[in-house]
Amino acid sequence: DAKTTQPPSMDCAEGRAANLPCNHSTISGNEYVYWYRQIHSQGPQYIIHGLKNNETNEMASLIITEDRKSSTLILPHATLRDTAVYYCIASRETSGSRLTFGEGTQLTVNP
Amino acid sequence: EAQVTQNPRYLITVTGKKLTVTCSQNMNHEYMSWYRQDPGLGLRQIYYSMNVEVTDKGDVPEGYKVSRKEKRNFPLILESPSPNQTSLYFCASSTVSNSPLHFGNGTRLTVT
Repeated sequence: DAKTTQPPSMDCAEGRAANLPCNHSTISGNEYVYWYRQIHSQGPQYIIHGLKNNETNEMASLIITEDRKSSTLILPHATLRDTAVYYCIASRETSGSRLTFGEGTQLTVNP
Repeated sequence: EAQVTQNPRYLITVTGKKLTVTCSQNMNHEYMSWYRQDPGLGLRQIYYSMNVEVTDKGDVPEGYKVSRKEKRNFPLILESPSPNQTSLYFCASSTVSNSPLHFGNGTRLTVT
């Protein structure tokens, strides 16, 4: 699976959009981009995933660049409860299995 | 409610005393997996199972055993725990067709 690079930490003001970047420059054509988050030692929670097209669900939007070398997770109106570690993962495993979690980005939403 | 249930949530034990951490899911998922999480090392996969009676090593399997006799259960066994197995453990499950992982709430194990 392709290596991903994320900033170690980010801050965001409550109510504003949080844009979390992820670089995956060596991603191959059959690798999906997955995003999970982990709130303070709870089990990681799935957010969204995509292959080529941008994706949106009730939690977030995923924007993947045309060359697929990077992506951005967007939380449109961040709340204090969105404070968590966010993991970006590139994997060809369609089942979500065998995912390798890196260190992720610690997002802190400030009041 | 669809969930992955781990027990116990907290466990303190002594070196060498065999223990089992249970994991059960009610979503009829084929795939189940165990991870450990340590500061600075992230989540590392211990073992995984693609279906009943099918298990395979992850990245850090040493000192652990698993079994998958039933689809819903995937216990993690530490035959002779050592202090370096002190960690936060997570069980996860998913289907095998483009679905996300569902994680349990974790088991914090301390081996003294």
